[in-house]
Amino acid sequence: EAQVTQNPRYLITVTGKKLTVTCSQNMNHEYMSWYRQDPGLGLRQIYYSMNVEVTDKGDVPEGYKVSRKEKRNFPLILESPSPNQTSLYFCASSFSGDSYEQYFGPGTRLTVT
Amino acid sequence: GQSLEQPSEVTAVEGAIVQINCTYQTSGFYGLSWYQQHDGGAPTFLSYNALDGLEETGRFSSFLSRSDSYGYLLLQELQMKDSASYFCAVKDNYQLIWGAGTKLIIKP
Repeated sequence: EAQVTQNPRYLITVTGKKLTVTCSQNMNHEYMSWYRQDPGLGLRQIYYSMNVEVTDKGDVPEGYKVSRKEKRNFPLILESPSPNQTSLYFCASSFSGDSYEQYFGPGTRLTVT
Repeated sequence: GQSLEQPSEVTAVEGAIVQINCTYQTSGFYGLSWYQQHDGGAPTFLSYNALDGLEETGRFSSFLSRSDSYGYLLLQELQMKDSASYFCAVKDNYQLIWGAGTKLIIKP
């Protein structure tokens, strides 16, 4: 089944404790992206990747890191999480950066205390 | 700045027709997308307009007027399962810029 998977689905952590949210897609998509969703704000892009080893900042990259060492994986790293990073995170992928349809993972609900 | 405006909430009756509007102001524009998101779920793609006019996909249609920086999503023959949030999103080069979403409430 073609899909985007994220792990973990739920995470409660404390301020400053490094964490990684994994994202993997099995559709051989070139383009991958991370979003955060907060009430009343819609989705905001954190980082995106056009292909392996190519990443770019989105609208809200502060406090996040990403890497794209393999085409299928695009982990999101929070090296020192803070309470303002409490949010719902979505990973998405598409065939290419020119594609208009993105496929989303199930989401990761992160709480930082 | 970049902004997309859409109503926060719309209420309609089962079987009726509802229109969700979206106006945008972005630095670049390659097209307007619409996504549906049920509570607790992930966004799923509904439609995309790159050129002016109406695109129809079953019960859903989407319209774009680039000169007015305006689009809408039209849902016909509403069903209870259509209760969800609907997001417009502008494709600006390699990014999607999202509206805050419209919660569609359907009453029997």
